[in-house]
Amino acid sequence: DADVTQTPRNRITKTGKRIMLECSQTKGHDRMYWYRQDPGLGLRLIYYSFDVKDINKGEISDGYSVSRQAQAKFSLSLESAIPNQTALYFCATSDPRQGWEQYFGPGTRLTVT
Amino acid sequence: AQSVTQLDSQVPVFEEAPVELRCNYSSSVSVYLFWYVQYPNQGLQLLLKYLSGSTLVESINGFEAEFNKSQTSFHLRKPSVHISDTAEYFCAVDRTGRRALTFGSGTRLQVQP
Repeated sequence: DADVTQTPRNRITKTGKRIMLECSQTKGHDRMYWYRQDPGLGLRLIYYSFDVKDINKGEISDGYSVSRQAQAKFSLSLESAIPNQTALYFCATSDPRQGWEQYFGPGTRLTVT
Repeated sequence: AQSVTQLDSQVPVFEEAPVELRCNYSSSVSVYLFWYVQYPNQGLQLLLKYLSGSTLVESINGFEAEFNKSQTSFHLRKPSVHISDTAEYFCAVDRTGRRALTFGSGTRLQVQP
């Protein structure tokens, strides 16, 4: 089983709809992250959380919110989706005690029409 | 603020030829440096990292990167590429203590037979 899982893997939604992307991990890491990937722009950080009570905005948090329900779960919500939020979304985890590497999920491809 | 520049968006190369993927960063403080690889339709995987110590770091599949503090670079090299190396490669920087990664825009390596 994968250490970092994301659901759904693909989603098509309409402008104005609310959508939630979910991330779960079995690695026991405290730190979790949400990124979006756009062609030619690399990965940009949306939100990150260092434990269930520590949530921080990244460089492109506008239009997004997050919830850290437990150490293992970190959800990303689009309250009112818009077409320029069409992207590939990745969840990641890390533990500085294990060398600072971030472990990525398989990604969620979101299309907003 | 810190930024990461990957100078080449695409690098076509023939199988068994050498390759260098360039990465420069801007930061006035000490950094941790990473190269991640993304194979088609997959998430990102760590290729190699520099945290401290020897400035030349190697991966298990023949890639190496050298941290050059004076030139603020962390170029990735391989002396002989394989078809299976075809992927997108991302350079990333973590300013020590900053708590999150900044990614470059990626370089697509296309290995041709």
